[in-house]
Amino acid sequence: SAVISQKPSRDICQRGTSLTIQCQVDSQVTMMFWYRQQPGQSLTLIATANQGSEATYESGFVIDKFPISRPNLTFSTLTVSNMSPEDSSIYLCSGGGRGSETQYFGPGTRLLVL
Amino acid sequence: AQRVTQPEKLLSVFKGAPVELKCNYSYSGSPELFWYVQYSRQRLQLLLRHISRESIKGFTADLNKGETSFHLKKPFAQEEDSAMYYCALAVSSFGNEKLTFGTGTRLTIIP
Repeated sequence: SAVISQKPSRDICQRGTSLTIQCQVDSQVTMMFWYRQQPGQSLTLIATANQGSEATYESGFVIDKFPISRPNLTFSTLTVSNMSPEDSSIYLCSGGGRGSETQYFGPGTRLLVL
Repeated sequence: AQRVTQPEKLLSVFKGAPVELKCNYSYSGSPELFWYVQYSRQRLQLLLRHISRESIKGFTADLNKGETSFHLKKPFAQEEDSAMYYCALAVSSFGNEKLTFGTGTRLTIIP
């Protein structure tokens, strides 16, 4: 299994600013992902964080808005850039193996943009 | 494109009664399905996955490829089963593997 921590756990930000969320795994994992969970909705995959290369983004998400880094097998960051109130959401990091292997989730970062 | 459907947003069941949370999927490949659960104030965690064919906390789920379903069942509900349940499908696309989640069902067990 893997234990995933995220920082910060929550934040309140002004529109137009940026926030970087950190995700730390206590063991090396093959895959890391970033999700968004808007109020009352399910998890939407933002991107796959690839070690040492550019992240793979899902439809509707772009690198300029959500730059992602993954310098090694245990750490990743997601930046929410030029924030607007529509970015208010919970952002979740997950890590695990491939395919049918279990994905472990972080506790989430609750973001409110004013 | 792949899709996971959980038709019930809310489900209330009396303690001791059977529980069934529905999940249907659409996917052209070979499906790998999971149930994740989120208890109040806790993080999302894996409940079970179809390839393990195991029972966790009394819950089971059988993959029915003919009906493209993966319903979650428990014969006798307990109060601690109250939580948010998500069905998820693992897909592989151009070497990129990821989970697609359903919209979730909030299960409430009535004492």
